[in-house]
Amino acid sequence: EPEVTQTPSHQVTQMGQEVILRCVPISNHLYFYWYRQILGQKVEFLVSFYNNEISEKSEIFDDQFSVERPDGSNFTLKIRSTKLEDSAMYFCASSDPQGSDEQFFGPGTRLTVL
Amino acid sequence: AQSVTQPDIHITVSEGASLELRCNYSYGATPYLFWYVQSPGQGLQLLLKYFSGDTLVQGIKGFEAEFKRSQSSFNLRKPSVHWSDAAEYFCAVGSISGGYNKLIFGAGTRLAVHP
Repeated sequence: EPEVTQTPSHQVTQMGQEVILRCVPISNHLYFYWYRQILGQKVEFLVSFYNNEISEKSEIFDDQFSVERPDGSNFTLKIRSTKLEDSAMYFCASSDPQGSDEQFFGPGTRLTVL
Repeated sequence: AQSVTQPDIHITVSEGASLELRCNYSYGATPYLFWYVQSPGQGLQLLLKYFSGDTLVQGIKGFEAEFKRSQSSFNLRKPSVHWSDAAEYFCAVGSISGGYNKLIFGAGTRLAVHP
C-alpha cells in the first residue's frame, strides 16, 4: 500500500540553524501539506502546496518557513533560523488529485531545537 | 472561523466496554469531517470520514461515527473497546478552498483502556 514517508525521524539542531525536513508524498497525489504538533497540543495546519506554489499558509508559516518540491518526488519544509518554539513533530500529508478526499499522513519528524 | 472542540481531554474505559468520543465543530457550510487516531510515536491514521450521504459512517477497526447537523456533532463510537485501541483520537473538519482540503483539528482525546 502506498504511503507517505518522512526523513529524518528525529532532528536535533541548535537555535538559529537551518533545517530541512523531507517528505516523499504518495506518487499520484498532487496536493501536499505540512502540519505540526507541539508536544501535548493539537495538530496545526502550516501550509498547503499545489501546482508548485503555496495554496494557503497559516499565521505560523512566517518568513522563516519555506516549502519546495525540488523534483518529482520530494516535498521539503525548510526552517531558516530555528527557534526554541519550533520544537515539535512535523507531519507531511498528501491527497489525491481532487484534493478534497483523504489526506494521507507520514509518520512525522520530531524536531528538537536546543 | 472554523473550529473543532473535543470536550474530553482524557477518557478511561474498561476493555470490552462501549466508547463514545465527542466532537463538535463550527463550520459555515456542509463540513467534511474526519476522525484520526495517533498511537504513541506514530503518525495519524484515518479511522473514518464523512462527506455527504448517510450520516452514520463506518470506519476501520470497528469504529463508527454519526454526523448530526442539528447538534454540530460528529461523535465517534465503538461498541466494545480492545486494549489496542488505547491511543489519542483527533476529530478534524476539512476546510475546502480552491479545491484542496485544509484540516482543522481538535485538541484530541487520549483514550486509556483498563484490562
